[in-house]
Amino acid sequence: DTAVSQTPKYLVTQMGNDKSIKCEQNLGHDTMYWYKQDSKKFLKIMFSYNNKELIINETVPNRFSPKSPDKAHLNLHINSLELGDSAVYFCASSQGWATETQYFGPGTRLLVL
Amino acid sequence: DAKTTQPPSMDCAEGRAANLPCNHSTISGNEYVYWYRQIHSQGPQYIIHGLKNNETNEMASLIITEDRKSSTLILPHATLRDTAVYYCIVRVAGGGADGLTFGKGTHLIIQP
Repeated sequence: DTAVSQTPKYLVTQMGNDKSIKCEQNLGHDTMYWYKQDSKKFLKIMFSYNNKELIINETVPNRFSPKSPDKAHLNLHINSLELGDSAVYFCASSQGWATETQYFGPGTRLLVL
Repeated sequence: DAKTTQPPSMDCAEGRAANLPCNHSTISGNEYVYWYRQIHSQGPQYIIHGLKNNETNEMASLIITEDRKSSTLILPHATLRDTAVYYCIVRVAGGGADGLTFGKGTHLIIQP
């Protein structure tokens, strides 16, 4: 059974479009994250979400917004996509803020044309 | 979080022990050392973490020097599947709200 899953695995779209990436975890964790890995392979935190608290990395444009319909899901919505948004996006989860053992999904490869 | 320094790449023969160093000379007393790895085209995977004592699990061993300024991750019998980028991360426990800060890591290549 996949612990953290993401859909789609690949996403190719045009500039200006709005898209969503879904993330689900079946670990019973209450904290979820979104990371972005750019072309230079640097992994950076975008959002951390725990119950009703959202921590946003201040460098993330407000075109990006996480949505959590329930504890097991944290989806990523991106409005007005730009070429620079092309990257691999990873979802992760952990049991609370107090642990650093995060479990990552397989990633979604986004290409904006 | 304290900064870490790792060699950009290392080679190791299959079946031998792979020893990956990490320097963290500015580590604070309440900061842990964590290791993750990222196999090509996959998400990062947690390996091990420790505060000051050496730690061992089914994947690896973590050796932390007495002054805690450096550590070594040991993969006892490396296989081809251990080829990956290995990240050493130093942070305070409970600081999860900020997410993990990944550096450039060490690209470990296991040679057949």
